Amino acid sequence: DGGITQSPKYLFRKEGQNVTLSCEQNLNHDAMYWYRQDPGQGLRLIYYSQIVNDFQKGDIAEGYSVSREKKESFPLTVTSAQKNPTAFYLCASSRSSGILAKNIQYFGAGTRLSVL
Amino acid sequence: GIQVEQSPPDLILQEGANSTLRCNFSDSVNNLQWFHQNPWGQLINLFYIPSGTKQNGRLSATTVATERYSLLYISSSQTTDSGVYFCAVEGEDSNYQLIWGAGTKLIIKP
Repeated sequence: DGGITQSPKYLFRKEGQNVTLSCEQNLNHDAMYWYRQDPGQGLRLIYYSQIVNDFQKGDIAEGYSVSREKKESFPLTVTSAQKNPTAFYLCASSRSSGILAKNIQYFGAGTRLSVL
Repeated sequence: GIQVEQSPPDLILQEGANSTLRCNFSDSVNNLQWFHQNPWGQLINLFYIPSGTKQNGRLSATTVATERYSLLYISSSQTTDSGVYFCAVEGEDSNYQLIWGAGTKLIIKP
């Protein structure tokens, strides 16, 4: 089945530790996104990538890093610099984010990150 | 930047009732989408509707771009409709980023 796979579903981070969240898509989409969702809130954009080997910061990029070495993969690292990482993290992809394209985004099932 | 406001924040209805959810936005948009987030957190795209009207089964949506609002209608509600409904927009100057409202939490009671 085509879709977006996020792993793990649940993740625990210790103080001072970096952790990496996986996001893989087999939809052949060009664009991929990482969002953070806090309880009772909407989604906030962390990073997005429109093409392989290129990515841009969203509204809340501090304390996070990403890479886009392959079209189908867009891992997110939550670094020790992110002091409040507890949240629900969602990965999305869209066919294209070009100005004439419909930026229709499809989502993975999410990763819940907690601090020990 | 563009602001997105959704109302009401919470809505509790009996099964079979109809409902209208509203999304107001502060500037012109290239893109407007409605999503449903189920109680397990999965987000499903319901409509891509920067303007006009669309229908999909018991759900329909209307966006009046000139007046900067969109409405999502749910008819004959079922318990599986429960969850949070989000509106997300891409402004003309948003650099392809979706800006999200805070959502409407809908609870359908049997």
